[in-house]
Amino acid sequence: AQRVTQPEKLLSVFKGAPVELKCNYSYSGSPELFWYVQYSRQRLQLLLRHISRESIKGFTADLNKGETSFHLKKPFAQEEDSAMYYCALSGFGDVGGNKLTFGTGTQLKVEL
Amino acid sequence: KAGVTQTPRYLIKTRGQQVTLSCSPISGHRSVSWYQQTPGQGLQFLFEYFSETQRNKGNFPGRFSGRQFSNSRSEMNVSTLELGDSALYLCASSLEGQYQETQYFGPGTRLLVL
Repeated sequence: AQRVTQPEKLLSVFKGAPVELKCNYSYSGSPELFWYVQYSRQRLQLLLRHISRESIKGFTADLNKGETSFHLKKPFAQEEDSAMYYCALSGFGDVGGNKLTFGTGTQLKVEL
Repeated sequence: KAGVTQTPRYLIKTRGQQVTLSCSPISGHRSVSWYQQTPGQGLQFLFEYFSETQRNKGNFPGRFSGRQFSNSRSEMNVSTLELGDSALYLCASSLEGQYQETQYFGPGTRLLVL
């Protein structure tokens, strides 16, 4: 069974401080990992995904297969980063279709 | 391109009734997935459709069903509604439904069961 764990329900940081949102996963095969973000009153949208190796809005995430982690990082938090962040996993070889397994989410609050 | 659209946006039903929710994917996307979001269980996968066929199903009772039409639009149906079915139902689309593809989400349909 696949599982995604986000240990922090709420993370509060000051503007300009570094941010790290933790994500650990459990999957026996080869996973694809995603970070989705939901800003207030907006729909869920992709922030970044491992396969693209992009940096979006200053956020990066590295897949660590040894520690089965995909933590989201940003060196300097901005007020507009306040949102709900979900880590999600899709498994290669899953029978049909890209079923996403989501973590419970971390609410990031950036304070002035 | 227009994003994923869902109708209706809000719905109030009573226990025992049934409900049908609709989803229109992004033009050209052939895979449609459905998710249930609740405060207690978070985001949970319901099922995925591709070329009018259900390819993958989550761990939900048979009261939850869906279908996909030839234009890739999808509907999901919940029969014999229970209070616990109150949730935000999200639809997502992707090109082919491959595991590495990005899924694009709709705004959701908020269902309240009284």
